[in-house]
Amino acid sequence: NAGVTQTPKFRVLKTGQSMTLLCAQDMNHEYMYWYRQDPGMGLRLIHYSVGEGTTAKGEVPDGYNVSRLKKQNFLLGLESAAPSQTSVYFCASKPGMNTEAFFGQGTRLTVV
Amino acid sequence: AQTVTQSQPEMSVQEAETVTLSCTYDTSESDYYLFWYKQPPSRQMILVIRQEAYKQQNATENRFSVNFQKAAKSFSLKISDSQLGDAAMYFCAYRSVQYGNKLVFGAGTILRVKS
Repeated sequence: NAGVTQTPKFRVLKTGQSMTLLCAQDMNHEYMYWYRQDPGMGLRLIHYSVGEGTTAKGEVPDGYNVSRLKKQNFLLGLESAAPSQTSVYFCASKPGMNTEAFFGQGTRLTVV
Repeated sequence: AQTVTQSQPEMSVQEAETVTLSCTYDTSESDYYLFWYKQPPSRQMILVIRQEAYKQQNATENRFSVNFQKAAKSFSLKISDSQLGDAAMYFCAYRSVQYGNKLVFGAGTILRVKS
């Protein structure tokens, strides 16, 4: 039982490059979330999903896209990376409404 | 939209003493949950304590307790008998019971523990 696993853990991108962050959970959770953490701003919600095939926008969705084709995976895509997307990205999952969230270990992304 | 405010960017406490971290929030909802998360340098997000808004009794977990004032929309965390391992970033968070069950985080407070 690995919990919530984020891939990769670190990445450096050049401006304009694209990449996909993978979040995988083996707990059969319905709900999954992508957050970004920036100094002085806490964690802010980018996108979330309440079940396989569903996605919804969070607080800061611009510049990101997501997909939830399989229940266990939640992908976060950056089509054209910008320096403003330099951040630590966290994925979280939980079984359903009013249950506790499990967080991944984070991905540090630097866009130069 | 809900907001969470942590007005103390940094706090320091002497080992074995008590420290209180402040958190206020804004919401029009009557039913919700509040949390304190700890984030050590490893970046792991660790749930410290949670409070359900409809419960008047303040939550307690060992050395950690909260002072929940619903009318004032205040949710402070008290750490008693502080230990070196308590040094971390602490986030206050609000969770709505509406669609998505989303967490809204404060900016965080860095807690330093002096030996």
